[in-house]
Amino acid sequence: DVKVTQSSRYLVKRTGEKVFLECVQDMDHENMFWYRQDPGLGLRLIYFSYDVKMKEKGDIPEGYSVSREKKERFSLILESASTNQTSMYLCASSLHSEAFFGQGTRLTVV
Amino acid sequence: AQSVTQLDSQVPVFEEAPVELRCNYSSSVSVYLFWYVQYPNQGLQLLLKYLSGSTLVKGINGFEAEFNKSQTSFHLRKPSVHISDTAEYFCAAPVRGNAGNMLTFGGGTRLMVKP
Repeated sequence: DVKVTQSSRYLVKRTGEKVFLECVQDMDHENMFWYRQDPGLGLRLIYFSYDVKMKEKGDIPEGYSVSREKKERFSLILESASTNQTSMYLCASSLHSEAFFGQGTRLTVV
Repeated sequence: AQSVTQLDSQVPVFEEAPVELRCNYSSSVSVYLFWYVQYPNQGLQLLLKYLSGSTLVKGINGFEAEFNKSQTSFHLRKPSVHISDTAEYFCAAPVRGNAGNMLTFGGGTRLMVKP
């Protein structure tokens, strides 16, 4: 089975902190994604990576950056966390079109 | 314009009743279609997918969906729901980006099964 692992289930950070969300997949997938999920808004794509060191902006990249130094790992970075970044963050990987998701990280910025 | 639209944000239904969750897609998506389920405080799990072939697709937990090209729809159905089906359901389709396919999601439908 494909496994996508997010490093934390719950995180609480202070406004202005630099925050790293880590995601690892074990199936050698080319594509990896970061989404955020908010009530009433569904899933919105933040960033997408299609290969090591390659990335593409999604629908809501502002306030975020990403890093993909190794194929299996895709990191989401909040350079200076703000309260409006409190959300559920979901990582996914895919080989073609079907995506496999991690369990999610619920981030609260206080 | 949104590529995938779920017409109902919430669907309440009694246990053992049939249910249909509606999904429409636009021509901007490639015609691979997916339904995912999300139980509380969990990630998303694939229910079923349509890639090609038969327009009636069967998935896990007794769910099925029908691809209808003329109506650009991919509605999810179950003939008899259980309390344990209470969850949020997402319809999704790939959209071609500059460098590959990105999965785009509908807004989600919360299925609430009542005893």
